Amino acid sequence: DADVTQTPRNRITKTGKRIMLECSQTKGHDRMYWYRQDPGLGLRLIYYSFDVKDINKGEISDGYSVSRQAQAKFSLSLESAIPNQTALYFCATSDSGTGDYEQYFGPGTRLTVT
Amino acid sequence: GQNIDQPTEMTATEGAIVQINCTYQTSGFNGLFWYQQHAGEAPTFLSYNVLDGLEEKGRFSSFLSRSKGYSYLLLKELQMKDSASYLCAVREISYDKVIFGPGTSLSVIP
Repeated sequence: DADVTQTPRNRITKTGKRIMLECSQTKGHDRMYWYRQDPGLGLRLIYYSFDVKDINKGEISDGYSVSRQAQAKFSLSLESAIPNQTALYFCATSDSGTGDYEQYFGPGTRLTVT
Repeated sequence: GQNIDQPTEMTATEGAIVQINCTYQTSGFNGLFWYQQHAGEAPTFLSYNVLDGLEEKGRFSSFLSRSKGYSYLLLKELQMKDSASYLCAVREISYDKVIFGPGTSLSVIP
């Protein structure tokens, strides 16, 4: 079984709809991240969380919100989706206890906003 | 602020050596990662440098110069499966966040 899972894997939605992307991990890591990837722009950090009570904005948080429901779950919401939020979204985790901060990525969610 | 630059695309021949450069500017440097990403897949970890110098791991090596804001990833004995994007990412002291560069798309040709 995958250590970091994302649901859904693909989603098509309409402009103005609210949508939630979910991420779960079985690695026991304390840190979780949400990134979006667009061609030519690499991975851009949306939000990150160092534990259940800690949420931090990344480079491009406008139009997004997050919830860390438990150590293993970190969800990303688009309150009112717009077409330029069409992208590939990745969740990642890392463990602050190991000292190397390697990030482990989920398989990605491909979101299309029409 | 943060600024990370990498070449957009590179092409190299199977069996050859290729060097992918990354330059960065940051207000507080705390480490540099290299990740590999095949098309349509998630990034996977290759290396992490905190101190200056070269770290070797099989066919892949990563170099860091903190004073120059410069790193490179060296791939030896290139194989067709090495065709992928290579992502440089910097870990910042401030809030300990990780910022990725735009990535370099490497094509390995026969």
